[in-house]
Amino acid sequence: AQTVTQSQPEMSVQEAETVTLSCTYDTSESNYYLFWYKQPPSRQMILVIRQEAYKQQNATENRFSVNFQKAAKSFSLKISDSQLGDTAMYFCAFFRSYNTDKLIFGTGTRLQVFP
Amino acid sequence: SAVISQKPSRDICQRGTSLTIQCQVDSQVTMMFWYRQQPGQSLTLIATANQGSEATYESGFVIDKFPISRPNLTFSTLTVSNMSPEDSSIYLCSVEGRMNTGELFFGEGSRLTVL
Repeated sequence: AQTVTQSQPEMSVQEAETVTLSCTYDTSESNYYLFWYKQPPSRQMILVIRQEAYKQQNATENRFSVNFQKAAKSFSLKISDSQLGDTAMYFCAFFRSYNTDKLIFGTGTRLQVFP
Repeated sequence: SAVISQKPSRDICQRGTSLTIQCQVDSQVTMMFWYRQQPGQSLTLIATANQGSEATYESGFVIDKFPISRPNLTFSTLTVSNMSPEDSSIYLCSVEGRMNTGELFFGEGSRLTVL
């Protein structure tokens, strides 16, 4: 069974600094998708960034980038130039690409950005 | 992207009562997903609701406790029946983004507190 592990329950960073959130996963599959979702205090979960396992290039979305290490089964999220609005819970998630499969979430990392 | 509206956004309920949560999407979607997020925890999939068929429940969740309706392609309801304090959670409705990729759009959630 696939599992997703986020080993950092809480992180903090000063505004304008860079922070990296860790995520590891376990799977025997070769084709899958990985995600980082953000849940601000207002609760609506939004997609931050998405990575297809078959792509070697790390995904980037503005200030958000990932370090995808397929062999190590690691998928960390780097937030550059942190902003107060980045304060949220961040969930790493895995999807196996099968029609009947479901998204598997990690336990989350609470990120606090300080002024 | 999809815009998802959930009602109620929050409620306080008495033990033994039932509450129905509504989820409205601004576009037609095949599958709708209901998640539970217990305090301080990650998201757990309750069931997948397809229009015109019975919902598919995940292990640990049963139809008698969480009946789901899916009358059309833009609407679904989740009922939490015979509530106990252990049902105090955020309940989230979500729909698929790009098909079969695990990408999801979420509603703002319904925070239920059971006294």
